[in-house]
Amino acid sequence: QSVLTQPPSVSGAPGQRVTISCTGSSSNIGAGYEVHWYQQFPGTAPKLLIFDNNNRPSGVPDRFSGSRSATSASLAISGLRAEDEADYYCQSYDTNLIGYVFGSGTKVTVL
Amino acid sequence: EVQLVESGGGLVQPGGSLRLSCAASGFTVNSHYMSWVRQAPGKGLEWVSVIHHDGNIFYADSVKGRFTISRDNSKNTLYLQMHSVRDEDTAMYYCARVSYISSWSYYFDYWGQGTLLTVSS
Repeated sequence: QSVLTQPPSVSGAPGQRVTISCTGSSSNIGAGYEVHWYQQFPGTAPKLLIFDNNNRPSGVPDRFSGSRSATSASLAISGLRAEDEADYYCQSYDTNLIGYVFGSGTKVTVL
Repeated sequence: EVQLVESGGGLVQPGGSLRLSCAASGFTVNSHYMSWVRQAPGKGLEWVSVIHHDGNIFYADSVKGRFTISRDNSKNTLYLQMHSVRDEDTAMYYCARVSYISSWSYYFDYWGQGTLLTVSS
């Protein structure tokens, strides 16, 4: 069971906006640790998508944005495209576990 | 260009041992935090272990006492020695570099392609 909770799946039509939630607790997100997001296509390694809640590495389209509040965070994908169909994971640090923690993962389907 | 290339995966019987390697290029492993992350078939990501640039080491509870992370600075390579492996250790093992801007922010900025460990009799 993952420490950070995400919905198993979200879907949307091309051009729509979808959001993925990531719910943590007082020992990780709520303690002040930043949230990061990864995108993973089948059979490939995860790729950093968002770091420090809402910062994009070079090359990541600005259609992807993040936010964080209290004990949760969200990833938003606007102008959804077929190429966005992938699994998305949030990640933070947990002071009780003394280690890095991941969300359970969310599969994004483009209808 | 930063690159991470894992190797050493394979089929191991329950209770057996195996060592994974991760050859790094484009940076030096002893100047960064380096980590192992695994993903069981059809499952999510699970952090396994980290070694800090100062040598501090931490493990997930699921592998503590069985796995050992280490590095060889002369070879710029990260290792994961696995002992007493179990069925539930079956996974793709990724090597990843950890980036940290502050003590409140730790994330994996570069990943290898992964090496597959299968535990089965």
